Amino acid sequence: NAGVTQTPKFQVLKTGQSMTLQCAQDMNHNSMYWYRQDPGMGLRLIYYSASEGTTDKGEVPNGYNVSRLNKREFSLRLESAAPSQTSVYFCASRDRDGSYEQYFGPGTRLTVT
Amino acid sequence: AQSVAQPEDQVNVAEGNPLTVKCTYSVSGNPYLFWYVQYPNRGLQFLLKYITGDNLVKGSYGFEAEFNKSQTSFHLKKPSALVSDSALYFCAVRDRNFNKFYFGSGTKLNVKP
Repeated sequence: NAGVTQTPKFQVLKTGQSMTLQCAQDMNHNSMYWYRQDPGMGLRLIYYSASEGTTDKGEVPNGYNVSRLNKREFSLRLESAAPSQTSVYFCASRDRDGSYEQYFGPGTRLTVT
Repeated sequence: AQSVAQPEDQVNVAEGNPLTVKCTYSVSGNPYLFWYVQYPNRGLQFLLKYITGDNLVKGSYGFEAEFNKSQTSFHLKKPSALVSDSALYFCAVRDRNFNKFYFGSGTKLNVKP
């Protein structure tokens, strides 16, 4: 099993450009998450999807959109990138059992100039 | 709202000595608490969780955590630190909405030979 995979690993955007971060998991998990990690801020939840067909906002959703394409895939889109969105983005997944353990992807390092 | 705080940005310890990484929480209802570790340029990995039961929880790589309800703390501990334990450690709490989680700001653990 590959677990949680993310593409791309690195990306540089200019202000105003758009892009989509891709995430896929092969563990048949129901819930998927997008976090951003900034120094001194820990991880902050952007959006999550409790199950296929549903998405909900997290702590910092402004400037982002998501799509739960199917059970495996959960993408994050920046429509008009801003320097404040420079961050490391992590996707995670979790089964619907009582374990509550999240499995994280390797991250995407995004720089917006 | 649920939250966790990690009061130390960095903890330094000599190899072979015991280590403690601190976490305090603020929740309404029963707390569901977690510790994750992040090695450089990697995603987070689950270490352990407290849901209910014994206040001392054992996890991966010899780590354990002590839940203290009166002090609202969930400190991560290890009796004898290894250089390979050097990493970034995050405490997290589950929201009352079962699908959301809040992370602390992280504590960098440095274990020196």
